[in-house]
Amino acid sequence: LAKTTQPISMDSYEGQEVNITCSHNNIATNDYITWYQQFPSQGPRFIIQGYKTKVTNEVASLFIPADRKSSTLSLPRVSLSDTAVYYCLVGADQTGANNLFFGTGTRLTVIP
Amino acid sequence: DAGVIQSPRHEVTEMGQEVTLRCKPISGHDYLFWYRQTMMRGLELLIYFNNNVPIDDSGMPEDRFSAKMPNASFSTLKIQPSEPRDSAVYFCASSFAGQGFNEQFFGPGTRLTVL
Repeated sequence: LAKTTQPISMDSYEGQEVNITCSHNNIATNDYITWYQQFPSQGPRFIIQGYKTKVTNEVASLFIPADRKSSTLSLPRVSLSDTAVYYCLVGADQTGANNLFFGTGTRLTVIP
Repeated sequence: DAGVIQSPRHEVTEMGQEVTLRCKPISGHDYLFWYRQTMMRGLELLIYFNNNVPIDDSGMPEDRFSAKMPNASFSTLKIQPSEPRDSAVYFCASSFAGQGFNEQFFGPGTRLTVL
Protein backbone atom coordinates (compact mmCIF):
# COMPACT_ATOMS: atom_id res chain seq x y z
CA LEU A 1 0.00 0.00 0.00
CA ALA A 2 1.65 3.17 -1.20
CA LYS A 3 1.49 5.75 1.57
CA THR A 4 1.77 9.47 1.04
CA THR A 5 3.22 12.30 3.09
CA GLN A 6 2.01 15.86 2.75
CA PRO A 7 2.13 18.96 4.96
CA ILE A 8 -0.58 19.12 7.59
CA SER A 9 -1.45 22.74 6.85
CA MET A 10 -0.59 25.73 4.69
CA ASP A 11 -1.61 29.36 4.60
CA SER A 12 -1.71 31.59 1.55
CA TYR A 13 -2.91 35.06 0.63
CA GLU A 14 -5.60 35.56 -1.94
CA GLY A 15 -4.34 35.83 -5.49
CA GLN A 16 -1.17 33.85 -4.91
CA GLU A 17 -0.22 30.56 -6.48
CA VAL A 18 -0.20 27.65 -4.03
CA ASN A 19 1.91 24.56 -4.44
CA ILE A 20 1.22 21.52 -2.26
CA THR A 21 3.83 18.78 -2.47
CA CYS A 22 3.18 15.15 -1.70
CA SER A 23 5.82 12.46 -1.17
CA HIS A 24 5.16 8.88 -2.24
CA ASN A 25 8.47 7.07 -2.18
CA ASN A 26 6.94 3.61 -2.52
CA ILE A 27 4.86 4.34 -5.58
CA ALA A 28 4.42 1.30 -7.81
CA THR A 29 4.81 1.20 -11.57
CA ASN A 30 1.09 1.05 -12.25
CA ASP A 31 0.03 3.57 -9.61
CA TYR A 32 -1.65 6.83 -10.53
CA ILE A 33 -1.50 10.02 -8.44
CA THR A 34 -4.84 11.57 -7.62
CA TRP A 35 -5.79 14.72 -5.72
CA TYR A 36 -9.08 15.45 -3.99
CA GLN A 37 -10.45 18.59 -2.38
CA GLN A 38 -12.80 18.60 0.60
CA PHE A 39 -14.74 21.60 1.86
CA PRO A 40 -16.19 21.61 5.40
CA SER A 41 -19.35 19.55 5.71
CA GLN A 42 -18.99 18.14 2.20
CA GLY A 43 -17.64 14.98 0.65
CA PRO A 44 -14.28 14.99 -1.13
CA ARG A 45 -14.25 16.12 -4.74
CA PHE A 46 -11.90 14.81 -7.43
CA ILE A 47 -9.57 17.53 -8.71
CA ILE A 48 -6.94 15.98 -10.94
CA GLN A 49 -5.08 12.78 -11.72
CA GLY A 50 -1.81 12.01 -13.44
CA TYR A 51 0.78 9.37 -14.08
CA LYS A 52 3.86 11.34 -15.13
CA THR A 53 5.07 14.78 -16.26
CA LYS A 54 2.38 17.46 -16.16
CA VAL A 55 -1.38 17.46 -16.23
CA THR A 56 -3.51 20.59 -16.33
CA ASN A 57 -7.23 21.16 -16.14
CA GLU A 58 -9.49 24.12 -15.44
CA VAL A 59 -8.93 23.83 -11.70
CA ALA A 60 -5.29 22.92 -11.13
CA SER A 61 -2.02 21.59 -12.48
CA LEU A 62 -0.22 18.49 -11.37
CA PHE A 63 3.53 18.19 -11.71
CA ILE A 64 5.17 14.77 -11.47
CA PRO A 65 8.96 14.39 -11.78
CA ALA A 66 10.54 11.57 -13.70
CA ASP A 67 11.14 9.38 -10.63
CA ARG A 68 7.46 9.82 -9.58
CA LYS A 69 8.40 9.75 -5.90
CA SER A 70 6.66 13.05 -5.33
CA SER A 71 4.06 15.25 -6.95
CA THR A 72 3.01 18.88 -6.66
CA LEU A 73 -0.52 20.21 -6.91
CA SER A 74 -0.52 23.79 -8.13
CA LEU A 75 -3.51 26.07 -7.61
CA PRO A 76 -3.21 29.33 -9.56
CA ARG A 77 -4.35 32.59 -7.96
CA VAL A 78 -6.24 31.14 -5.01
CA SER A 79 -9.35 32.76 -3.62
CA LEU A 80 -11.03 32.44 -0.23
CA SER A 81 -13.24 29.71 -1.67
CA ASP A 82 -10.19 27.49 -2.16
CA THR A 83 -9.90 27.08 1.61
CA ALA A 84 -10.25 23.33 2.02
CA VAL A 85 -8.42 20.10 2.80
CA TYR A 86 -6.46 18.64 -0.11
CA TYR A 87 -5.72 14.92 -0.25
CA CYS A 88 -3.01 13.23 -2.25
CA LEU A 89 -3.69 9.60 -3.12
CA VAL A 90 -1.61 6.98 -4.85
CA GLY A 91 -3.19 3.83 -6.22
CA ALA A 92 -3.48 1.60 -9.22
CA ASP A 93 -6.61 2.45 -11.12
CA GLN A 94 -9.06 -0.44 -11.46
CA THR A 95 -7.00 -2.95 -9.53
CA GLY A 96 -8.47 -2.47 -6.10
CA ALA A 97 -10.23 0.38 -4.39
CA ASN A 98 -8.73 -0.65 -1.08
CA ASN A 99 -5.41 0.56 -2.43
CA LEU A 100 -6.61 4.14 -2.18
CA PHE A 101 -5.56 5.73 1.10
CA PHE A 102 -6.78 9.25 1.84
CA GLY A 103 -4.68 10.07 4.89
CA THR A 104 -5.17 13.33 6.76
CA GLY A 105 -4.56 15.70 3.87
CA THR A 106 -3.28 19.29 3.80
CA ARG A 107 -5.49 21.97 5.26
CA LEU A 108 -5.14 25.07 3.08
CA THR A 109 -6.29 28.37 4.52
CA VAL A 110 -6.55 31.31 2.15
CA ILE A 111 -6.19 34.66 3.88
CA PRO A 112 -7.76 37.89 2.55
CA ASP B 1 -27.79 14.29 -12.59
CA ALA B 2 -28.41 14.96 -8.91
CA GLY B 3 -25.15 13.36 -7.84
CA VAL B 4 -24.83 10.81 -5.06
CA ILE B 5 -27.70 11.11 -2.62
CA GLN B 6 -27.44 10.12 1.02
CA SER B 7 -30.04 10.03 3.74
CA PRO B 8 -30.44 11.02 6.42
CA ARG B 9 -28.01 13.94 6.52
CA HIS B 10 -27.91 13.86 10.30
CA GLU B 11 -28.72 11.05 12.69
CA VAL B 12 -28.67 11.14 16.45
CA THR B 13 -29.35 7.91 18.27
CA GLU B 14 -28.73 6.23 21.57
CA MET B 15 -26.24 3.49 22.19
CA GLY B 16 -27.64 0.08 21.36
CA GLN B 17 -30.05 1.27 18.71
CA GLU B 18 -29.96 0.13 15.10
CA VAL B 19 -28.88 2.72 12.55
CA THR B 20 -29.47 2.50 8.81
CA LEU B 21 -27.76 4.84 6.39
CA ARG B 22 -28.93 5.03 2.79
CA CYS B 23 -27.25 5.86 -0.50
CA LYS B 24 -28.35 6.33 -4.08
CA PRO B 25 -25.38 6.32 -6.47
CA ILE B 26 -25.15 8.24 -9.71
CA SER B 27 -27.11 6.51 -12.45
CA GLY B 28 -24.86 4.39 -14.64
CA HIS B 29 -22.12 4.01 -12.08
CA ASP B 30 -21.15 0.43 -11.33
CA TYR B 31 -18.96 0.93 -8.27
CA LEU B 32 -20.23 2.03 -4.88
CA PHE B 33 -18.09 2.80 -1.85
CA TRP B 34 -18.83 3.41 1.82
CA TYR B 35 -16.36 5.53 3.83
CA ARG B 36 -16.18 6.74 7.40
CA GLN B 37 -14.48 9.97 8.43
CA THR B 38 -13.34 10.96 11.91
CA MET B 39 -10.86 13.50 13.18
CA MET B 40 -8.65 10.79 14.61
CA ARG B 41 -8.58 8.33 11.72
CA GLY B 42 -9.33 10.50 8.72
CA LEU B 43 -11.24 9.00 5.80
CA GLU B 44 -11.41 5.20 5.83
CA LEU B 45 -12.83 2.88 3.20
CA LEU B 46 -15.28 0.44 4.79
CA ILE B 47 -16.57 -1.60 1.86
CA TYR B 48 -17.12 -1.35 -1.85
CA PHE B 49 -19.41 -2.99 -4.39
CA ASN B 50 -19.10 -3.69 -8.08
CA ASN B 51 -22.32 -4.31 -9.98
CA ASN B 52 -24.14 -4.70 -6.65
CA VAL B 53 -21.73 -7.39 -5.41
CA PRO B 54 -19.54 -6.71 -2.36
CA ILE B 55 -15.92 -6.92 -3.45
CA ASP B 56 -13.94 -5.99 -0.37
CA ASP B 57 -15.30 -5.51 3.13
CA SER B 58 -11.97 -5.69 4.93
CA GLY B 59 -12.46 -2.14 6.18
CA MET B 60 -15.68 -2.93 8.03
CA PRO B 61 -14.69 -2.51 11.65
CA GLU B 62 -16.84 -5.17 13.30
CA ASP B 63 -19.68 -7.59 12.79
CA ARG B 64 -21.98 -4.86 14.01
CA PHE B 65 -21.54 -3.24 10.61
CA SER B 66 -23.22 -4.63 7.49
CA ALA B 67 -23.84 -3.26 4.02
CA LYS B 68 -26.14 -4.31 1.22
CA MET B 69 -26.78 -3.27 -2.33
CA PRO B 70 -30.04 -4.87 -3.48
CA ASN B 71 -29.99 -3.07 -6.83
CA ALA B 72 -27.93 -0.65 -8.87
CA SER B 73 -29.62 2.42 -7.44
CA PHE B 74 -29.65 1.75 -3.72
CA SER B 75 -27.34 0.71 -0.91
CA THR B 76 -27.58 0.63 2.86
CA LEU B 77 -25.03 0.61 5.66
CA LYS B 78 -26.41 -0.74 8.91
CA ILE B 79 -24.94 -0.60 12.39
CA GLN B 80 -26.54 -2.86 14.97
CA PRO B 81 -26.10 -2.24 17.83
CA SER B 82 -24.61 1.21 17.61
CA GLU B 83 -21.94 2.47 20.02
CA PRO B 84 -20.65 5.97 20.83
CA ARG B 85 -17.38 5.23 19.02
CA ASP B 86 -19.34 4.81 15.80
CA SER B 87 -19.97 8.56 15.80
CA ALA B 88 -18.54 9.88 12.54
CA VAL B 89 -19.47 11.19 9.12
CA TYR B 90 -20.30 8.37 6.73
CA PHE B 91 -19.83 9.00 3.04
CA CYS B 92 -21.07 7.07 0.07
CA ALA B 93 -19.29 7.44 -3.26
CA SER B 94 -19.73 5.99 -6.72
CA SER B 95 -17.71 5.66 -9.89
CA PHE B 96 -17.85 3.78 -13.14
CA ALA B 97 -15.38 1.40 -14.70
CA GLY B 98 -14.64 3.74 -17.57
CA GLN B 99 -13.03 6.19 -15.17
CA GLY B 100 -11.65 3.70 -12.66
CA PHE B 101 -11.52 3.80 -8.90
CA ASN B 102 -9.55 6.96 -8.63
CA GLU B 103 -12.27 9.34 -9.78
CA GLN B 104 -15.03 8.83 -7.28
CA PHE B 105 -18.06 11.04 -6.76
CA PHE B 106 -18.94 11.54 -3.13
CA GLY B 107 -22.27 12.24 -1.53
CA PRO B 108 -22.79 14.93 1.12
CA GLY B 109 -22.39 12.45 3.95
CA THR B 110 -24.42 11.41 6.97
CA ARG B 111 -23.29 12.79 10.30
CA LEU B 112 -23.97 10.10 12.91
CA THR B 113 -23.95 10.83 16.61
CA VAL B 114 -24.39 7.94 19.01
CA LEU B 115 -25.08 9.05 22.56
